Formats: sequence, structure tokens, C-alpha cells
Amino acid sequence: NAGVTQTPKFQVLKTGQSMTLQCAQDMNHNSMYWYRQDPGMGLRLIYYSASEGTTDKGEVPNGYNVSRLNKREFSLRLESAAPSQTSVYFCASSGTSGRALNEQFFGPGTRLTVL
Amino acid sequence: AQKITQTQPGMFVQEKEAVTLDCTYDTSDQSYGLFWYKQPSSGEMIFLIYQGSYDEQNATEGRYSLNFQKARKSANLVISASQLGDSAMYFCAGWSGGGADGLTFGKGTHLIIQP
Repeated sequence: NAGVTQTPKFQVLKTGQSMTLQCAQDMNHNSMYWYRQDPGMGLRLIYYSASEGTTDKGEVPNGYNVSRLNKREFSLRLESAAPSQTSVYFCASSGTSGRALNEQFFGPGTRLTVL
Repeated sequence: AQKITQTQPGMFVQEKEAVTLDCTYDTSDQSYGLFWYKQPSSGEMIFLIYQGSYDEQNATEGRYSLNFQKARKSANLVISASQLGDSAMYFCAGWSGGGADGLTFGKGTHLIIQP
């Protein structure tokens, strides 16, 4: 049981380049999330998908787009990377009702540096 | 949405002592959930414990317990008999309302266990 997987684990970009971070979960969860973590901070929500076919903005969505490809996969795209997007990115998934709401599992993270 | 506050940026504790990490939350919703995560220096987010607003008893998971006081809006993490391996960042996080729109995180507490 892999849980939540993310690729890549590390990435260095130049300002203006684009890239897509991939995330997949095998827990049959309906909801998936993208967070970023800056030094000395807790995680902040970028985008989320409460169910297949829906996506919504979180606290810090500017400069990002997302795609919920299917129930398992949720990708995050940087169209034109900026140094302010240097961060560690975490994908997470959870159930959406009852006791399943206590399941919030995170991927290992992607460390992104934008030069 | 939740507001989560952790007021202890760092703590030093002697090995084998009990530790209490503070967390206060602020929401007007009746339905909410609170989490504690551990983030070691390797960077992954490790789920420790969960407390739902309607749970009548305080949550416990091995050496971890959550001291849940609704009237004070506090959800403190208690680690009994601390170990050197407990040294890490600890984050309090919560959801409110529907619960599918992600977690709000505190800024974390850096716990260092001294031999």
C-alpha cells in the first residue's frame, strides 16, 4: 500500500520555466489537496479537489493551476515559475465524510527551487 | 475556516519527561476536527492523532494524547515519556464546516529532546 506518492522529489527551475508536479493516492479517497510549506511556516493550502471533476482555490492559489485527472491523480502546474514559488510542496488526500475525515495523509513532498 | 495558533516556537525537554505542546483554535462551526502532525528533519508529515468536535473522550494514540478543552478552544498534544526520536517540528492543524476544503495549520513548535 503506497499511500500518497509524489513526483519529482526535487526540482530546480529557472524563472519563467514551467513544470507539473504529479500526485497519486491509492486509498480510494475522494478529496485531494496541494499545500506549500515555506521556511518557518506551517503548510498553506494552494488548491483542493473535493471530488473527481471539481477543483477549488485555497489560501494561496496565484501562479498555480491544477487538474484532477481521475479519482487517484491530482496534478499541480506552475506555468511561469517565479523565485517566490521556491518551497516544499505537499500533496494530501482524505475521505470526505464521517470518520473518513480523520484520514488526512500526506505525500513525501517535492522540494522546488526557482532560480 | 479554522484559525490555529501555536505559541511555542521552540521547546527543550529532558529525555523521559512528559511534554505538552499548546494549540488553540478558533471556529464558529459546531463540526470540526483537529490534528497533530510530526515533521522530522527528513521532511515528511507524520500523522499523530485526531480529535473530532463531537468525540466525547480525549483521543489517545500510544504515547500521544490530546488534551481537548472545548470551552477554552484548546487542543494540546501531550507526549508521555519523551524519547530522543521525538525531536522534530510539531504542527497542529484543523478543519471546520464541511471538512473537505483542507486543513489550516499552525506555525509549529520545534521540540528538542535532550539526553
